[in-house]
Amino acid sequence: GAVVSQHPSWVICKSGTSVKIECRSLDFQATTMFWYRQFPKQSLMLMATSNEGSKATYEQGVEKDKFLINHASLTLSTLTVTSAHPEDSSFYICSAKYWAYDQSYNSPLHFGNGTRLTVT
Amino acid sequence: AQSVAQPEDQVNVAEGNPLTVKCTYSVSGNPYLFWYVQYPNRGLQFLLKYITGDNLVKGSYGFEAEFNKSQTSFHLKKPSALVSDSALYFCAVRPRSLTGGGNKLTFGTGTQLKVEL
Repeated sequence: GAVVSQHPSWVICKSGTSVKIECRSLDFQATTMFWYRQFPKQSLMLMATSNEGSKATYEQGVEKDKFLINHASLTLSTLTVTSAHPEDSSFYICSAKYWAYDQSYNSPLHFGNGTRLTVT
Repeated sequence: AQSVAQPEDQVNVAEGNPLTVKCTYSVSGNPYLFWYVQYPNRGLQFLLKYITGDNLVKGSYGFEAEFNKSQTSFHLKKPSALVSDSALYFCAVRPRSLTGGGNKLTFGTGTQLKVEL
């Protein structure tokens, strides 16, 4: 149980276009999902916290208008990179908490397999 | 602000030997501590967590970690390493207090473990 599916696993797009990444919790409801960005050989940087039915909470320095997050249902959150540029090329990872199993704050996150975005 | 330090970028171990991946943390109060493993081009997999109680925590795939409050450390260990353990390992911390950012998980920079025959 507690599977998080992320799609696509990799995408190449041209500069100036937009790309949408989906994150789904397959067998549980996720009221909160998290979006991370990982640069090569670096740690995960939290970009935003996605809450079902409300606006996402962005971390300092993350452009809200560039990284649009929508959490329309309890099993789906999307990250749209708008007007992508080569510097947006990175590995994006989503995660979710399995609230139904463990509603305490010590429950681990379950991660998707990530999306490798390359902007040419 | 909370932070996690993994002082070693890479750890090399011979198969069958014990391994240790180091982690120290800085957070207000008592934290929740986690270890995750990442294989190439994949997301993170949860290994183990420390909440309270016994300082030695046992997790998946034979891994364990020892919580040391005085040294603010949470080193990952395994008695006998396998080649298949080669991966990127992340230590993470989350404060207990919601007002202290209790919903936010902070990761270390990761340690690449290489186990060779």
